[in-house]
Amino acid sequence: DAKTTQPPSMDCAEGRAANLPCNHSTISGNEYVYWYRQIHSQGPQYIIHGLKNNETNEMASLIITEDRKSSTLILPHATLRDTAVYYCIVRPGGKLIFGQGTELSVKP
Amino acid sequence: EAQVTQNPRYLITVTGKKLTVTCSQNMNHEYMSWYRQDPGLGLRQIYYSMNVEVTDKGDVPEGYKVSRKEKRNFPLILESPSPNQTSLYFCASSAGDRLNYNSPLHFGNGTRLTVT
Repeated sequence: DAKTTQPPSMDCAEGRAANLPCNHSTISGNEYVYWYRQIHSQGPQYIIHGLKNNETNEMASLIITEDRKSSTLILPHATLRDTAVYYCIVRPGGKLIFGQGTELSVKP
Repeated sequence: EAQVTQNPRYLITVTGKKLTVTCSQNMNHEYMSWYRQDPGLGLRQIYYSMNVEVTDKGDVPEGYKVSRKEKRNFPLILESPSPNQTSLYFCASSAGDRLNYNSPLHFGNGTRLTVT
């Protein structure tokens, strides 16, 4: 099963872009990259996902490298409410491995 | 409103007393799964189900049972709870079958279980 590696924590200044990296070097061709975030002990919230191409929605942008071995989640203008744990996962099918995620702290 | 509903939100029980945590979704999703979350260990998958009557083990299935008799419900059963099963539990669902997982997971609000 494909696993992901993320830095345990990051800081970002309010109003600046937050760039969260994720390595998934064992990803297979048909596996999607998903990003979720969890605020306190709430249920994880879906942010964005992609297969090969870069993706953008109202919450964030997802940049996937050409070899698909890594990706970056971009929050273009981070706010204090974006403080959360961010999880990058690879979805091959039913079995999912979340890992530890990155704890993002947005500071005033 | 599309949602995944878990009950109860909080549960305190004693060792050995059988309990069931219910999970229901109203989105006609094929895929459902259970996770536990412990400090320092992140989210770990317990069981998942691709569709009705189809269930598979995740990473930490020991001490748990599940059933998928109908599409909308996926209860988590602890036949004989022990203190090491004290945790925060999440249920999730998504559309998609074995060949297509281009669909995000929707999570419930969690069940905080304490076993004394």
